[in-house]
Amino acid sequence: HSALTQPASVSGSPGQSITISCTGTSSDVGGYNLVSWYQQRPGRAPNFLIYEVHKRPSGVSNRFSGSKSGNTASLRISGLQAEDEADYYCCSYAGDNTLVFGGGTKLTVL
Amino acid sequence: QVQLVESGGGVVQPGRSLRLSCTASGFTFRNYGMHWVRQAPGKGLEWVAGVWYDGSDKYNADSVKGRFVITRDNSKNTLFLQINSLRAEDTAVYYCAREFINDALDLWGQGTMVTVSS
Repeated sequence: HSALTQPASVSGSPGQSITISCTGTSSDVGGYNLVSWYQQRPGRAPNFLIYEVHKRPSGVSNRFSGSKSGNTASLRISGLQAEDEADYYCCSYAGDNTLVFGGGTKLTVL
Repeated sequence: QVQLVESGGGVVQPGRSLRLSCTASGFTFRNYGMHWVRQAPGKGLEWVAGVWYDGSDKYNADSVKGRFVITRDNSKNTLFLQINSLRAEDTAVYYCAREFINDALDLWGQGTMVTVSS
């Protein structure tokens, strides 16, 4: 499976909302409601944000939300804060007990 | 506390082998599926391998099939990744991660760096 397609970078001002897209195929994103999202700050391990497309684990801010339409999943971050500046990765189940990640998106808070 | 700690990384010559370990604490290790994910310098995350909670089934990415073997020892709360025939492109930070539900990875270790160089 090829990596899922994410924009290389997005930016927004504090208080604004941004959306990061994650495009795959009918064999991964489109075929299963098993998309997860991760935040990674420089030099750190990833943090778990969203699972099963739109579910938020306990402790994750409700400013983060996920959705999916067809072969594209999306992560929306509302009320941007400086601490949201990080890399964001989507991940999808891809059949046969395999996973595929997106290439990552660098979020800059202006 | 609940954590995963990787070890075993280092500088290795091409063609050699290496075994990475991931020791779990603070939770019932044997109840969870586990995964390895790697990240080459300046690059994105790449799923490498996964294993069921009891070790009965294991899965690899096509890019490493035949060279990487994931195993676990539930009596020692430890996950392993055997990497054979190392190549320069295997240079990366290797993370172990716990599977929360349906392949979502909720707990990650700090990573161990593997550098393949002569």
